[in-house]
Amino acid sequence: DTAVSQTPKYLVTQMGNDKSIKCEQNLGHDTMYWYKQDSKKFLKIMFSYNNKELIINETVPNRFSPKSPDKAHLNLHINSLELGDSAVYFCASSRPLAGSYNEQFFGPGTRLTVL
Amino acid sequence: AQKVTQAQTEISVVEKEDVTLDCVYETRDTTYYLFWYKQPPSGELVFLIRRNSFDEQNEISGRYSWNFQKSTSSFNFTITASQVVDSAVYFCALIPNTGGFKTIFGAGTRLFVKA
Repeated sequence: DTAVSQTPKYLVTQMGNDKSIKCEQNLGHDTMYWYKQDSKKFLKIMFSYNNKELIINETVPNRFSPKSPDKAHLNLHINSLELGDSAVYFCASSRPLAGSYNEQFFGPGTRLTVL
Repeated sequence: AQKVTQAQTEISVVEKEDVTLDCVYETRDTTYYLFWYKQPPSGELVFLIRRNSFDEQNEISGRYSWNFQKSTSSFNFTITASQVVDSAVYFCALIPNTGGFKTIFGAGTRLFVKA
């Protein structure tokens, strides 16, 4: 059983296009995240939702828009793709404890290549 | 500032050698959470350990051990008798208690274990 799944695994597209990445978790977690990992492996948080409410919105271009239709899903839509958007995008989820923070479970990643 | 420093960009060892990956963190919070994650060549991110700031006990799990020292703000990771399968990028991460759900990742240390 896949805990955190992402589709698609690979995405190759032209500059200027709009694309979406989908994420689903079956762990019953309340919190979900999107991370971007660049070519140097640096991981940067982009967004986080807790119980469908946006709680982290880092400085990312507003071409990136997350959507959480329910607690188990967090999608990422990217408009007007640019070359610099090429990266691996990871979805993750966690179950925060009262007054504490738990580890995150990551999806397999989506490798986005913008040509 | 709140940050995680992994000064070792790459480490190369021969199988069966012991290796220590360094992690130094900075936070103003007195309560915080530290993590290590592994990213093997296949690309997924795997949780290894979580530590609370008020629990300075060291931990051992098989060939893996972690040394948490608040006095030096370090949370180092040692692999004993390394194996080729340990080759991966290892990330140290911090969640300050007042940081919401925001995880601060170090830049990662790439470990090569040669047969």
